[in-house]
Amino acid sequence: ETGVTQTPRHLVMGMTNKKSLKCEQHLGHNAMYWYKQSAKKPLELMFVYNFKEQTENNSVPSRFSPECPNSSHLFLHLHTLQPEDSALYLCASSQEGRGSNEQFFGPGTRLTVL
Amino acid sequence: QQQVKQSPQSLIVQKGGISIINCAYENTAFDYFPWYQQFPGKGPALLIAIRPDVSEKKEGRFTISFNKSAKQFSLHIMDSQPGDSATYFCAASKETSGSRLTFGEGTQLTVNP
Repeated sequence: ETGVTQTPRHLVMGMTNKKSLKCEQHLGHNAMYWYKQSAKKPLELMFVYNFKEQTENNSVPSRFSPECPNSSHLFLHLHTLQPEDSALYLCASSQEGRGSNEQFFGPGTRLTVL
Repeated sequence: QQQVKQSPQSLIVQKGGISIINCAYENTAFDYFPWYQQFPGKGPALLIAIRPDVSEKKEGRFTISFNKSAKQFSLHIMDSQPGDSATYFCAASKETSGSRLTFGEGTQLTVNP
């Protein structure tokens, strides 16, 4: 295991539902990320948190709302999603400032929006 | 704008053969080039990485070749095995942006027995 866990692993929701994805890292890292992975497309960086502060939001629609209550936990709150939001959502963590650029990924949440 | 372009999209190789995946980048400020490997149901995991001060890095059966002038780098898998079947992503980042990675589109590798 990578030390990054994600729950749930699978999620099916309607367009009017509200749900949340959870990520937890056990590596003592200070940066966490949300990515969207769609078929035949590059991983799309959605949000970045450094020391619990959001440092990057790559023009993500407001129906995706991140929350980082501490350096070990990251949430992605979902509201009124569209079918095209169906994808694998990956969480990752890294240690900024240690000279290593390596990111450690969780297994992802497979999201299906009906 | 896609800053890291990866090819081919899919690759089928016989067991024992050499798998080659190529990437090209645009931003000359990139100074770290990793390859990530992703198995079904798992997140990507770092496989091997290179910095532009060397032209080649080898770890076991995996080799990165780097051509700074052409802004290209490639992954070579020698003696490919069925267990290497996975999706491979190249990526790039620059030190000033910390761990921010720009990924290629991915290559689905299948190694037939």
